[in-house]
Amino acid sequence: ETGVTQTPRHLVMGMTNKKSLKCEQHLGHNAMYWYKQSAKKPLELMFVYNFKEQTENNSVPSRFSPECPNSSHLFLHLHTLQPEDSALYLCASSQNRVTEAFFGQGTRLTVV
Amino acid sequence: QKEVEQDPGPLSVPEGAIVSLNCTYSNSAFQYFMWYRQYSRKGPELLMYTYSSGNKEDGRFTAQVDKSSKYISLFIRDSQPSDSATYLCAMSAYSGAGSYQLTFGKGTKLSVIP
Repeated sequence: ETGVTQTPRHLVMGMTNKKSLKCEQHLGHNAMYWYKQSAKKPLELMFVYNFKEQTENNSVPSRFSPECPNSSHLFLHLHTLQPEDSALYLCASSQNRVTEAFFGQGTRLTVV
Repeated sequence: QKEVEQDPGPLSVPEGAIVSLNCTYSNSAFQYFMWYRQYSRKGPELLMYTYSSGNKEDGRFTAQVDKSSKYISLFIRDSQPSDSATYLCAMSAYSGAGSYQLTFGKGTKLSVIP
């Protein structure tokens, strides 16, 4: 049982839909992350939250909108996505934004 | 030159073989080095974590770091079919204000054939 839980595990959405990905961590960490994993590419860091404050946004298009209501929960709101946004979206957490991160199982997103 | 280079494979070995997985990097500021294992349809899980140059052993797994050559390795002894997964190297550098920037390789897909 991972300490980081993501829902849903799979999501298929049309380009005009609005959906949200949810992440919850049970590790007492204070930093949370969204990563995108596409085939044949390294993991791409999207957003970083440290103590509920967004500290990094790596040039992510505005159709991705993160929300961090508290240290344990992280959301990624999606709207008007493109087919190239289809990927595995991974949430991770760590303590004090230090080295190793612990990942959730990911949400496999398909945009049609 | 990419910051972290990792051969994506795929790598296929017979059961019981010794597996060697490698990454090279260009940023001399990297201080911490990690190996993650990712099974199909799962998130990456932390396998090994090292700081200094040298070897670190954990059961059948040995992580090796050579900072002078900017080269890290993961060795798997007596490989098992259950080791079949994608292995990602990751390394981090201090980015200020108590934070570290974590950079991943592309991952090497390993298959251990019974």
